Amino acid sequence: EAGVAQSPRYKIIEKRQSVAFWCNPISGHATLYWYQQILGQGPKLLIQFQNNGVVDDSQLPKDRFSAERLKGVDSTLKIQPAKLEDSAVYLCASSLGGGAHHTGELFFGEGSRLTVL
Amino acid sequence: AQSVTQLDSHVSVSEGTPVLLRCNYSSSYSPSLFWYVQHPNKGLQLLLKYTSAATLVKGINGFEAEFKKSETSFHLTKPSAHMSDAAEYFCVVRSDSSYKLIFGSGTRLLVRP
Repeated sequence: EAGVAQSPRYKIIEKRQSVAFWCNPISGHATLYWYQQILGQGPKLLIQFQNNGVVDDSQLPKDRFSAERLKGVDSTLKIQPAKLEDSAVYLCASSLGGGAHHTGELFFGEGSRLTVL
Repeated sequence: AQSVTQLDSHVSVSEGTPVLLRCNYSSSYSPSLFWYVQHPNKGLQLLLKYTSAATLVKGINGFEAEFKKSETSFHLTKPSAHMSDAAEYFCVVRSDSSYKLIFGSGTRLLVRP
């Protein structure tokens, strides 16, 4: 079974530039998550999709971050313009279900490491 | 609001000795708790989970965790460390209201030969 695919693995940009990350979840997984993991911290949820609808984006900095999952399969996370503090690993994860019936098992990709200079 | 505190940012053990990674939680009700592991350049992987069944939970690769309500703890243990256990370990609690997973800050386990 193919895992969660993410690209690019590494990206270096200058502040005020833009960047986009792509994620393809495990086939059949309805729920997709984007997490931000800053060095030395645990992952923090940015946005959660159920199929192509947003379930939770309360911690997404909407002035600069956007995400979409138009067809309910793969997803793109964009940052524009980037700030120094956006340097982090962006993790995509997927699960079969979500909400109260969610088992708590998320399947994570290897992450996209962003460095903002 | 739910939260978890991982008491050690780094733990170093010798191969073949026991591992103890400590986690305390804060939760209003009976929590759902998890341990995830992150090996270098790999995705996070579920190690084990507690969801109000048996208080001693067995996971993959010989790891166990015991839920102790009186101590609000969910420590991760393994009787004998292996070199391949070197990784970062995250204690996680699920929010009762939003069902979001809330990650601790992580404990990096170093295994010395």
